[in-house]
Amino acid sequence: GDSVTQMEGPVTLSEEAFLTINCTYTATGYPSLFWYVQYPGEGLQLLLKATKADDKGSNKGFEATYRKETTSFHLEKGSVQVSDSAVYFCALFYGQNFVFGPGTRLSVLP
Amino acid sequence: NAGVTQTPKFRVLKTGQSMTLLCAQDMNHEYMYWYRQDPGMGLRLIHYSVGEGTTAKGEVPDGYNVSRLKKQNFLLGLESAAPSQTSVYFCASRTGISSGNTIYFGEGSWLTVV
Repeated sequence: GDSVTQMEGPVTLSEEAFLTINCTYTATGYPSLFWYVQYPGEGLQLLLKATKADDKGSNKGFEATYRKETTSFHLEKGSVQVSDSAVYFCALFYGQNFVFGPGTRLSVLP
Repeated sequence: NAGVTQTPKFRVLKTGQSMTLLCAQDMNHEYMYWYRQDPGMGLRLIHYSVGEGTTAKGEVPDGYNVSRLKKQNFLLGLESAAPSQTSVYFCASRTGISSGNTIYFGEGSWLTVV
């Protein structure tokens, strides 16, 4: 079945460091890809998405490019802030349902 | 903007007790979902609904029942709670394909079964 794999972390960075969180997927078709973010005590919020190959999703300085050839959707940010500390989930949508990765906890230190 | 609202937010149950979690969405979405989130396991789909009056099993449906009597509400029931059902439960609703199949989550319900 469809699945999403991502680095589980935790990832600890200093403020202004470069961030990469790897995400790869397995799917029978051509899914839409998403990154969601969860802040402490809250539900998941959409961060960015891409619906077809070579699309780049971007929001709040975060970017991810849909790479069909490597079945990847890595999340990047050039300069992280303390406020970016959260859990990040990679997800795919195909058919009727979503499949989520296990989440990657990011801690950014001042 | 209410979005997706879950009640209650916190609950402690004794083993064997029953309870219902209520999810309400005001976005007129057809699709609704119940997930549970456990440490190291991400989100797992319990049940989902593709429209009023319909329900379907997800990845981990055992021990849960659901109902979608009204389009805006999706109820998750635990008939006889077990400690293994201690978890954080998230309800979600989804737009259709014309709006990018985007899923929106509630803030979560923390359930402890002792």
